[in-house]
Amino acid sequence: NAGVTQTPKFQVLKTGQSMTLQCAQDMNHNSMYWYRQDPGMGLRLIYYSASEGTTDKGEVPNGYNVSRLNKREFSLRLESAAPSQTSVYFCASSEEGLGNGYTFGSGTRLTVV
Amino acid sequence: QKEVEQNSGPLSVPEGAIASLNCTYSDRGSQSFFWYRQYSGKSPELIMSIYSNGDKEDGRFTAQLNKASQYVSLLIRDSQPSDSATYLCAVTSGSARQLTFGSGTQLTVLP
Repeated sequence: NAGVTQTPKFQVLKTGQSMTLQCAQDMNHNSMYWYRQDPGMGLRLIYYSASEGTTDKGEVPNGYNVSRLNKREFSLRLESAAPSQTSVYFCASSEEGLGNGYTFGSGTRLTVV
Repeated sequence: QKEVEQNSGPLSVPEGAIASLNCTYSDRGSQSFFWYRQYSGKSPELIMSIYSNGDKEDGRFTAQLNKASQYVSLLIRDSQPSDSATYLCAVTSGSARQLTFGSGTQLTVLP
């Protein structure tokens, strides 16, 4: 079982460059999420998608866009990367139910220079 | 702003002892509560979930929830060096069950 697959695992960008982080899940989950994790700040929600065709902003959406391409795939795009976007990015998915937590991907470590 | 607060630690316990991790949350509408374990350089891994007041046990782990006090805790019995990690408390909010995470407590179990 692959679970949640993220690509790439590492990326270095120059300020102003753009890139797309890819995420795919094979668990038939409706909900998908993008978080960033910075030292001492925990995980912060960037965007989420409650179902195919819908997306909503989280706590820190500025500088990002997302696409829910289909039920399996949820991508995160940085249009013009800034050093403040240096972080570890995690994609996650979940199914409905009170006790169901998230399954996380392995993360993308992004450095913007 | 919905908040989840955890003691940042670090918390050190000797092998075989009980480790106690605490978390408070601000949103009284929160319905589900989770504990994740994160090893350095790895992604968070779900270890416990709880949504009813009281205790829930799973092996060496016990989660405790008190909604009136807006408090959730995790006890790890017979702590092992392999339990050394950062433990993240997470709380659901919103119609899409978005999780709000605390900043984590770093636990070190000393052999």
